[in-house]
Parts: sequence; C-alpha cells; structure tokens
Amino acid sequence: NAGVTQTPKFRILKIGQSMTLQCTQDMNHNYMYWYRQDPGMGLKLIYYSVGAGITDKGEVPNGYNVSRSTTEDFPLRLELAAPSQTSVYFCASSFTSYEQYFGPGTRLTVT
Amino acid sequence: AQSVTQLDSQVPVFEEAPVELRCNYSSSVSVYLFWYVQYPNQGLQLLLKYLSGSTLVKGINGFEAEFNKSQTSFHLRKPSVHISDTAEYFCAVMYSGGGADGLTFGKGTHLIIQP
Repeated sequence: NAGVTQTPKFRILKIGQSMTLQCTQDMNHNYMYWYRQDPGMGLKLIYYSVGAGITDKGEVPNGYNVSRSTTEDFPLRLELAAPSQTSVYFCASSFTSYEQYFGPGTRLTVT
Repeated sequence: AQSVTQLDSQVPVFEEAPVELRCNYSSSVSVYLFWYVQYPNQGLQLLLKYLSGSTLVKGINGFEAEFNKSQTSFHLRKPSVHISDTAEYFCAVMYSGGGADGLTFGKGTHLIIQP
C-alpha cells in the first residue's frame, strides 16, 4: 500500500513550457486534492475532485487544469508556465471529506 | 469563508520543555479543526483532528489540542518536546457541513528544538 505517490519529485521548467504533475493513490479514495505551498505560507487549494469525472476549482485555479478519468489518478496540468507557479505542489486524497493523506510533493521551479 | 491565524511563525524551545503552538480561526459556519506536521522535505502528516465531542483531542507523538469555541482557538500542546519534534506545524480548518472543498491552512509555525 503505497498511499499517495507523486511524480516527478523535482522539475525545472522554462517560462512558457507546459507539464503534467502526476498523482496516484491506491486507497480507493473518492476525494482528491491539489495544493500549492509557497515559502512562509500555508497550503492553498488549486483544484479538487469528489470522484471520477468530477472536478472543481479551489482558491487558486488560474493557470492550471485537472482531469479525473479514474479513481486512482488526478493529474495537474500547467500550461504556459510562469515564474509565479514556482512552488511545491502537494496532492492529497481522502475517503471522507475530512481526513486527507498527502503525497511527498513535487518541487517546481519556473525560470 | 474561513481563515486561520497562527500567531507565531517560529517557536524555539529547549529539549524536554513544554510547548504550545497557537491557532485561531474565524468562520461564520461550523468547522472541523486539524493540526498537521511537515518534516523537512516531506509531505504533511495528520497529528490530530477535532470533529465533535470532547474538546480535548489527543494525537500522535504525544501531542494534544484543545478546542475552545468561545475563543475560536485550537492550540497545540506537548508537555515535553524532543529533538525529533523539529518541524513545521500547520493548523487547518474545514467547513463541517459536508462537501469537499478542501482545507484552509494557516501559514505554519516552525518549531525549533534546542538541545
């Protein structure tokens, strides 16, 4: 039981490039979330999903897209990367809506 | 909408001393409350949660927190800290009325344990 896994661990992007951050969970959780963490700040919610085929915006969705075609996977897509998207990205999942399990994070730098 | 304030960005404490990390929240609706810990270069791990019932909640690693509705606080305490408790601690809230709109986090408190 691996829990929540994220790939890659680190990535450097040039401005304007695009990439997909992968998130997979093997706990059969319905709820999945993407957060970003900036230095000295708490985590902010980007997008969330309550099940396959259902996604919704969080607090800071601009510049990102998500999809949820299966229960296990919840990829986060960055189109036209900008320096403001330099951050650490965390994926989380939960069986109910209130006990979330976090992945180890992806550290992204946009230069 | 809800918000979370962690009053201290850093708390230095000597090993084996007690510690309290403060958390206040504001919300116009009923909420659930959480404390998470983040060790260096790792994801977040749930320490404890308050959903309902007893206002004193015990968590992992000897931590506990007390929910105070009148003061809208959820302070985290440990009677005797160890070097291994050095980490970032986040307080978070979630609307308790259902739905899945995620957690609202405070900015975090860096607990520094001095030998």
